[in-house]
Amino acid sequence: AQKITQTQPGMFVQEKEAVTLDCTYDTSDPSYGLFWYKQPSSGEMIFLIYQGSYDQQNATEGRYSLNFQKARKSANLVISASQLGDSAMYFCAMREGGRGSTLGRLYFGRGTQLTVWP
Amino acid sequence: KAGVTQTPRYLIKTRGQQVTLSCSPISGHRSVSWYQQTPGQGLQFLFEYFSETQRNKGNFPGRFSGRQFSNSRSEMNVSTLELGDSALYLCASSSGGSGSNDEQYFGPGTRLTVT
Repeated sequence: AQKITQTQPGMFVQEKEAVTLDCTYDTSDPSYGLFWYKQPSSGEMIFLIYQGSYDQQNATEGRYSLNFQKARKSANLVISASQLGDSAMYFCAMREGGRGSTLGRLYFGRGTQLTVWP
Repeated sequence: KAGVTQTPRYLIKTRGQQVTLSCSPISGHRSVSWYQQTPGQGLQFLFEYFSETQRNKGNFPGRFSGRQFSNSRSEMNVSTLELGDSALYLCASSSGGSGSNDEQYFGPGTRLTVT
């Protein structure tokens, strides 16, 4: 089974509008972390936001917020007030915590290509 | 604080050759992970090194290998290159802590083309 599923290959949003990028995950580990990364066409992966499985509140970082619904195993990224520079590929990723062979490994989804138009 | 650096940024090799890619992590970080990104397979984990030891390994053939030095710099080597090895190779560094919140910071990547 896929550890991370991103069902939106592409999304379009008008500048200054908000957009939600979907992410669902699958793990039996009670301790895990969820990450969102942005990858512009240059290729570099830019860390955006982190949510821990035990965090009580949704994470926020500037214009980015994470809508964490643990029971549904979803971790959607919300970008408020979109800007033209937000156009990029967005990846959801998970790291399982605790001991074991997966330590240090990130599982990535297939990504969502976001296009912001004026 | 300097970010993660990868060299070279671009590389063109011929089938059958071997290649070595280098990654210098953020100062103080002891963990380096490598990922391969292709349009067909997406982002796939290669391996992770922590304190000069391979701590975790993905599902890649033995042609893919790596190592880490005492200053935490890491190299990965691909021998007997195949056309399918053409990809963007990303290196990520982190403190290497055992918690799930150990953030990984990525370098700009090395784009390898095999002809």
